[in-house]
Amino acid sequence: GQQVMQIPQYQHVQEGEDFTTYCNSSTTLSNIQWYKQRPGGHPVFLIQLVKSGEVKKQKRLTFQFGEAKKNSSLHITATQTTDVGTYFCAGRRNTGFQKLVFGTGTRLLVSP
Amino acid sequence: NAGVMQNPRHLVRRRGQEARLRCSPMKGHSHVYWYRQLPEEGLKFMVYLQKENIIDESGMPKERFSAEFPKEGPSILRIQQVVRGDSAAYFCASSVVGGELFFGEGSRLTVL
Repeated sequence: GQQVMQIPQYQHVQEGEDFTTYCNSSTTLSNIQWYKQRPGGHPVFLIQLVKSGEVKKQKRLTFQFGEAKKNSSLHITATQTTDVGTYFCAGRRNTGFQKLVFGTGTRLLVSP
Repeated sequence: NAGVMQNPRHLVRRRGQEARLRCSPMKGHSHVYWYRQLPEEGLKFMVYLQKENIIDESGMPKERFSAEFPKEGPSILRIQQVVRGDSAAYFCASSVVGGELFFGEGSRLTVL
């Protein structure tokens, strides 16, 4: 079945350092979404990427969708303590009535 | 516009009892997903439903687990004869077809 892996599983950075999480799917995706889950909370949608090679920015966050539409990355510049949480990518194989499969997640801890 | 509502937020059951988890999607959303999450782990897909229809239940255990999304009323995830291994957070999410997921705050099941 479809599998979505993320690396690293866990990263601990000092405030101000950069952070990147990588997402790899076993199958080609129609689009990819990113979610953030704060400790004790529920996942919250961040962004969706649709086009091959697409890059989108949200303030200090940069999201990229690979050319082959099988991988993606999230880069955070100059992390802040508010960035703490687990970041999940999620993808669908096709458009329409397809389940959304979540990646394994990357847990980010930021020390002040 | 109320978000996705899940209840109960916390549920304690003894082994062998039944657990019923409810999810009311956001207004205008006809698609509901259920995910299971163990502490410090990822979101495991269980089932994807449209009103009166199960679209994908490939993540549901064959025995003891069932889900429905009736024409009227909330979606229900039902676990019969619970065992300790069923203890987890169960998240419901709703969407329009192919869209981003809006998650509820989760139902945390503890089996004694």
